[in-house]
Amino acid sequence: GAVVSQHPSWVICKSGTSVKIECRSLDFQATTMFWYRQFPKQSLMLMATSNEGSKATYEQGVEKDKFLINHASLTLSTLTVTSAHPEDSSFYICSAGTGLYGYTFGSGTRLTVV
Amino acid sequence: DAKTTQPPSMDCAEGRAANLPCNHSTISGNEYVYWYRQIHSQGPQYIIHGLKNNETNEMASLIITEDRKSSTLILPHATLRDTAVYYCIVIYSGAGSYQLTFGKGTKLSVIP
Repeated sequence: GAVVSQHPSWVICKSGTSVKIECRSLDFQATTMFWYRQFPKQSLMLMATSNEGSKATYEQGVEKDKFLINHASLTLSTLTVTSAHPEDSSFYICSAGTGLYGYTFGSGTRLTVV
Repeated sequence: DAKTTQPPSMDCAEGRAANLPCNHSTISGNEYVYWYRQIHSQGPQYIIHGLKNNETNEMASLIITEDRKSSTLILPHATLRDTAVYYCIVIYSGAGSYQLTFGKGTKLSVIP
């Protein structure tokens, strides 16, 4: 079945620094990947749709200059949290797939900004 | 996309069937019913989906009412590892990529 690998699983960074999260489709090509954010005890919130070879589409309220998305190949999308602050601490999850039989999600990245 | 309504939480005894309901009274004719689950601190996992016929796979069964306004996900023999939040999502998935919108889901607790 489709496998999506997300790295790192968890990261702690200092306030003001940037963090890059990778999302890879291991056994299929993904022209579209999705990035979600989940705060404790809340549901997943879609942040942006990552499109291979073009600009990402951001959901309302998500700062595109803060959450940089790069989808340079059919198997890799990256999310960079720039100038991270404690309020950016969250669980970030990517997903990809053909869609018809459901999307596959990565294992998530727990970001803690101190 | 049609909205869904799920109970916030349910308990199920280990080994018994877990029946998770979902109401989607405004579903359109071309919208599918998808079920995902999220075990604590992991990414969501696809379970099953259907349009109008009942579906079964190695994980679960999906029963959709004839009017398609509601459905039930059935885990035939719940185990402790099935403890998770279960999301029912209704969406049109016939045109390539689509966005999944997660509601609050049902928190299923399987009790020993």
